[in-house]
Amino acid sequence: GIQVEQSPPDLILQEGANSTLRCNFSDSVNNLQWFHQNPWGQLINLFYIPSGTKQNGRLSATTVATERYSLLYISSSQTTDSGVYFCAVEPRGNTPLVFGKGTRLSVIA
Amino acid sequence: NAGVTQTPKFRILKIGQSMTLQCAQDMNHNYMYWYRQDPGMGLKLIYYSVGAGITDKGEVPNGYNVSRSTTEDFPLRLELAAPSQTSVYFCASSYDGVGSYEQYFGPGTRLTVT
Repeated sequence: GIQVEQSPPDLILQEGANSTLRCNFSDSVNNLQWFHQNPWGQLINLFYIPSGTKQNGRLSATTVATERYSLLYISSSQTTDSGVYFCAVEPRGNTPLVFGKGTRLSVIA
Repeated sequence: NAGVTQTPKFRILKIGQSMTLQCAQDMNHNYMYWYRQDPGMGLKLIYYSVGAGITDKGEVPNGYNVSRSTTEDFPLRLELAAPSQTSVYFCASSYDGVGSYEQYFGPGTRLTVT
């Protein structure tokens, strides 16, 4: 089946720093989503982005479907950005989402 | 809208016991999903449903059963609980299309089997 790899696995940032998280996938996909799992375990939708670029406040995401990767940018990071960021893809053939293992982000004041 | 709700939030089971995890959504979504998340890992799909009366297996269905008698509810049944089923369980829903629309997640149920 499709492989979804996220990097880096762990990231520690000083508050105010910028970061880029990467998601590579091994085959063509119909769709891609980014999620944030906060320290309390809640999963929050960030972006639904099968291709192109989207922005929401300090966060933005770009998916280059032809090259099989997506990037999540976090600018001016805050302690509330801490948690795990997951990338999930829908493989071709109308099958359910496949999740990567996530990037654990810690933002320190 | 309450979104996706799950009960209970926490549960401890003894080996061999059974229980049902409840999931409900009030967004009139057709598709519903159950995932499990083991420590330090991503989510793995247990079962999903594309509408009332229709369910299908995901990646890790063994030891679980589901039913979908209404659009709103999608309970997950654990029979003969085993320590390997210790995990956090998430229910999710989407309007249509397997993955073609955004999925929304419930708050999770933390289950420990001892």
